[in-house]
Amino acid sequence: DAGVIQSPRHEVTEMGQEVTLRCKPISGHNSLFWYRQTMMRGLELLIYFNNNVPIDDSGMPEDRFSAKMPNASFSTLKIQPSEPRDSAVYFCASTVKGSGGRTGELFFGEGSRLTVL
Amino acid sequence: DAKTTQPPSMDCAEGRAANLPCNHSTISGNEYVYWYRQIHSQGPQYIIHGLKNNETNEMASLIITEDRKSSTLILPHATLRDTAVYYCIVGGKLIFGQGTELSVKP
Repeated sequence: DAGVIQSPRHEVTEMGQEVTLRCKPISGHNSLFWYRQTMMRGLELLIYFNNNVPIDDSGMPEDRFSAKMPNASFSTLKIQPSEPRDSAVYFCASTVKGSGGRTGELFFGEGSRLTVL
Repeated sequence: DAKTTQPPSMDCAEGRAANLPCNHSTISGNEYVYWYRQIHSQGPQYIIHGLKNNETNEMASLIITEDRKSSTLILPHATLRDTAVYYCIVGGKLIFGQGTELSVKP
């Protein structure tokens, strides 16, 4: 089992540039979560999808952030334009959400460390 | 989702049991309690979850009080590799709080 795969692992970019982070969830999982982690704010939930549909994006900081899940095996988190305060580690996680609504064990990727200069 | 309260840090001697408390007084009847941990710079790792009954697996035990307003994660024989931030989470949205930074010392 390959686990949750995120790319890139590290990205350094300049303010104003577009950033795209990618995530491949574990095969068979139907829920996908994007988190952001900083020293100041800890681990923040940005958005989560069930069956490729965004369910709650209330954690997305502002319109510069967007997330898509075009199919069950791929999701992107895009920041346009990027700002220095977006510097953080971005984690993707996937799980199986049962018909009764209980969320199963979350499997996290290794994260994408973003630095915006 | 219910809010959780955990102590910011704890120490534990290697080989001893580590007992990590969590308060979740606003938990509703159908919300599960989940525990995760995060070792420095890695993604969080699932440990255990429960609803009402106590649970045990190869990593830890979870004790949930009868009124479900608090729980305790027990690492029976802590090792240096258990040094991490431990998160208690309630509800399906899996919102992480600040967690407890556990330091296991030789």
